[in-house]
Amino acid sequence: GENVEQHPSTLSVQEGDSAVIKCTYSDSASNYFPWYKQELGKRPQLIIDIRSNVGEKKDQRIAVTLNKTAKHFSLHITETQPEDSAVYFCAASWNGGSYIPTFGRGTSLIVHP
Amino acid sequence: GAVVSQHPSWVICKSGTSVKIECRSLDFQATTMFWYRQFPKQSLMLMATSNEGSKATYEQGVEKDKFLINHASLTLSTLTVTSAHPEDSSFYICSARDPNPGEQFFGPGTRLTVL
Repeated sequence: GENVEQHPSTLSVQEGDSAVIKCTYSDSASNYFPWYKQELGKRPQLIIDIRSNVGEKKDQRIAVTLNKTAKHFSLHITETQPEDSAVYFCAASWNGGSYIPTFGRGTSLIVHP
Repeated sequence: GAVVSQHPSWVICKSGTSVKIECRSLDFQATTMFWYRQFPKQSLMLMATSNEGSKATYEQGVEKDKFLINHASLTLSTLTVTSAHPEDSSFYICSARDPNPGEQFFGPGTRLTVL
């Protein structure tokens, strides 16, 4: 089955800095890679996703890059703000058929004001 | 994005009782829903995949007789924790896949505390 590794487990940055979270996956058949943000005690919220037919996607301060050859994808947050503090999960799946996503272990992002 | 509701948001029960948690997709039909369990500061652990009109598919190590799943309609799946014990205390989250365009959306979660 699919195996997703996520690093780092904890990331501490100063407000205004950039933050990068990296994930690798093992199944070359995976073609859909969402990122979720989860605040304490709340549901994971989809913040951005990327499909295997593109290498990069951007939405304001958030961007995701995908390298299919190397089987890794990354989340980039620029100009971080304290409200970006949360746990971020990456996931990989095949967006078709049964679609069972595999999640990374999560990254706790702390943005210091 | 699509909306998934979950009820109740929290429940406290005595050991030995059963607890039912409902997961609803409010504005789309979901043929597949997922049930997760999340421990503090940990990732989402998939418990089972709930398929409308058929039996749920449980992940290895999850007791199907302990965690009963019913997906009776395209908008409702239920998880019943039978004969709950303190070790079942956890945060249970459901999710549903909107087939168009294919994203997965999560419910708000249910905090279960078994005394």
